[in-house]
Amino acid sequence: EIHLVESGGGLVNPGGSLRLSCAASGFTFSDYSMNWVRQAPGKGLEWVSYISSSSTYIHYADSVKGRFTISRDNAKNSLYLQMNSLRGEDTAVYYCAEGVTISDYWGQGTLVTVSS
Amino acid sequence: DIQMTQSPSSLSTSVGDRVTITCRASQGIENDLAWFQQKPGKAPKRLIYAASSLQSGVPSRFSGSGSGTEFTLTISSLQPEDFATYYCLQHNSYPRTFGPGTKVDIK
Repeated sequence: EIHLVESGGGLVNPGGSLRLSCAASGFTFSDYSMNWVRQAPGKGLEWVSYISSSSTYIHYADSVKGRFTISRDNAKNSLYLQMNSLRGEDTAVYYCAEGVTISDYWGQGTLVTVSS
Repeated sequence: DIQMTQSPSSLSTSVGDRVTITCRASQGIENDLAWFQQKPGKAPKRLIYAASSLQSGVPSRFSGSGSGTEFTLTISSLQPEDFATYYCLQHNSYPRTFGPGTKVDIK
C-alpha cells in the first residue's frame, strides 16, 4: 500500500526557515515524480512545486520561487521542501502528492504556521 | 499561466439530486484535467482524471466530461457522503492550477 507521510511543520517567525519532509513507502519512489501542494486555513488548494523522478525537472509556483527549494533523496525514499524567508501568507497545511498529473496518492499534510 | 474558474462556488442540495459543477480554463488544456473531492481535515481524493476517466474505486455516480476549455463534473444522484468541496486541476502546463472550489452542502 502506498503511503506518504509529511513531517517538519510547526510555528516559525516571519523571515524564518523550515524544512518539510515526505517519507514514501509502498512503491518504487525513484520511478515517480512528486509535488508539494498547500492549503491555507479555510482556503482552496494551491500547487507549490514539482520535481521529476531523477530531479532533472523542477518547477515552482511564482508565489514561492526564489524562497522555496524542492529536493529528493531516492536512496532514502524521501521528498523535501526547504522554505526560507517565510511570510504570513505561507501559513498552510502542506501536502506531498505523487505524479506528473497529481494522482490519488497524497500524504495527510503537515501544518506550517508563520507568526510572531 | 492558465487560470481555472469553477461555477457555482457553492450549492445547497438534497440527497438524490443531480449535481453539475463546471470548470473553465483560460486557454485550451486538451483533456488534461482532474477532479478532486475534499472533506474537512482530510487530504483531497481524486475522482476523475483525463477529464472523463473514473478513478479506481470511485462510485459510478460520478462522471466527468469536456475538453479544451470547458469541463463538467456530474454526480447523478447525490449521496450523504458526497457533501464536500470539489476542485478541478489542470495539469497541461506549469504552474499547475486548481479551480477555487465548489462547496456542496445540505439544503
